Amino acid sequence: EAGVAQSPRYKIIEKRQSVAFWCNPISGHATLYWYQQILGQGPKLLIQFQNNGVVDDSQLPKDRFSAERLKGVDSTLKIQPAKLEDSAVYLCASSLNAGGAYGYTFGSGTRLTVV
Amino acid sequence: KQEVTQIPAALSVPEGENLVLNCSFTDSAIYNLQWFRQDPGKGLTSLLLIQSSQREQTSGRLNASLDKSSGRSTLYIAASQPGDSATYLCAVYNNNDMRFGAGTRLTVKP
Repeated sequence: EAGVAQSPRYKIIEKRQSVAFWCNPISGHATLYWYQQILGQGPKLLIQFQNNGVVDDSQLPKDRFSAERLKGVDSTLKIQPAKLEDSAVYLCASSLNAGGAYGYTFGSGTRLTVV
Repeated sequence: KQEVTQIPAALSVPEGENLVLNCSFTDSAIYNLQWFRQDPGKGLTSLLLIQSSQREQTSGRLNASLDKSSGRSTLYIAASQPGDSATYLCAVYNNNDMRFGAGTRLTVKP
């Protein structure tokens, strides 16, 4: 079974620029998550999709972050404009269902550096 | 609100030692608990998943236990190897939400 695919692996941008990350979950996984992991901390949930609908985006800074999963398969996370504190690893995960009974599978992440 | 704590934050051991990593959580009404490994700059690799009805799970040299009533889980690594050096994260799932600890950074010295 192919894993969760993410791109790019690394990105360096200047503050106030925009950036987009892409994620393709495991085939058949209805639930997709975006996490932000700041150095030295555990991942923090940004947004959760069930198919193409948003289940939880309570911790997403909506003034600058946006995400979509239009066809219920792959997803894009965008930051515009970026701030220095957005420097982090952005992790995408998927699970078979929203109940999490089968656990989560994570991608390799995108390391973002904002300078 | 669920809080997950991992102790110690960092651990350094000589090769061959058996070791225990600890994870505690404040809300015992969890659905499951998952242990992950994270290598520097990489994503998370799932090691073990324990359902709330289970007490432990084993995979190779790894054994994870779960005591829901006390809000604790341990990850036991037998005969540690330099290749085990990584950050180990535990995550608990309840109320449609997965919460992570900050991780334990393990270094196994040859």
